[in-house]
Amino acid sequence: EPEVTQTPSHQVTQMGQEVILRCVPISNHLYFYWYRQILGQKVEFLVSFYNNEISEKSEIFDDQFSVERPDGSNFTLKIRSTKLEDSAMYFCASKFAREETQYFGPGTRLLVL
Amino acid sequence: AQSVTQLGSHVSVSEGALVLLRCNYSSSVPPYLFWYVQYPNQGLQLLLKYTTGATLVKGINGFEAEFKKSETSFHLTKPSAHMSDAAEYFCAVSDYGGATNKLIFGTGTLLAVQP
Repeated sequence: EPEVTQTPSHQVTQMGQEVILRCVPISNHLYFYWYRQILGQKVEFLVSFYNNEISEKSEIFDDQFSVERPDGSNFTLKIRSTKLEDSAMYFCASKFAREETQYFGPGTRLLVL
Repeated sequence: AQSVTQLGSHVSVSEGALVLLRCNYSSSVPPYLFWYVQYPNQGLQLLLKYTTGATLVKGINGFEAEFKKSETSFHLTKPSAHMSDAAEYFCAVSDYGGATNKLIFGTGTLLAVQP
């Protein structure tokens, strides 16, 4: 069964450093998402991406964040200058159509020191 | 705007007992509702979903949920808990107000199953 994959599974970085989190969505999916889950808290929407552009973003998704679909398979989330409060589990999700179910990847656990 | 409330951040049941995890939603339009499960150190796995049609929805691992419009609820049940059901469960509603129907999650319920 097709699945969403994410790399790396864990990343430790120093405050102020740039990180890139990578996702490979399911191949025929058209809508892509990033969510995050701070430890002990609920899953929060960050950004959605469709037709090669951001469709919607949350208040969390400020100028420090960016997303890209550099080729036909990868979907990346970049944090330009990480802060301590960026430490969280980041989930990528994708779906085929607007009304369909989102499928989630296993997540990348980011720790900012 | 849509929202989800999960009552009970922690629920503990005995193996073989009924599991009931509560979810109430707020939505100005007919909602799409979901239950996801997160096992320790893993991602989110879809348990079941309600879109339209039959209000009793069956999912994986013996779970089911009933959409009750009059009560704005979508509670998750399983007749007999198994040790492997220990996980965190998230109720979510699809946000029609946004461009891409993002998911809005509840705060989650951690289910513990006692032997």
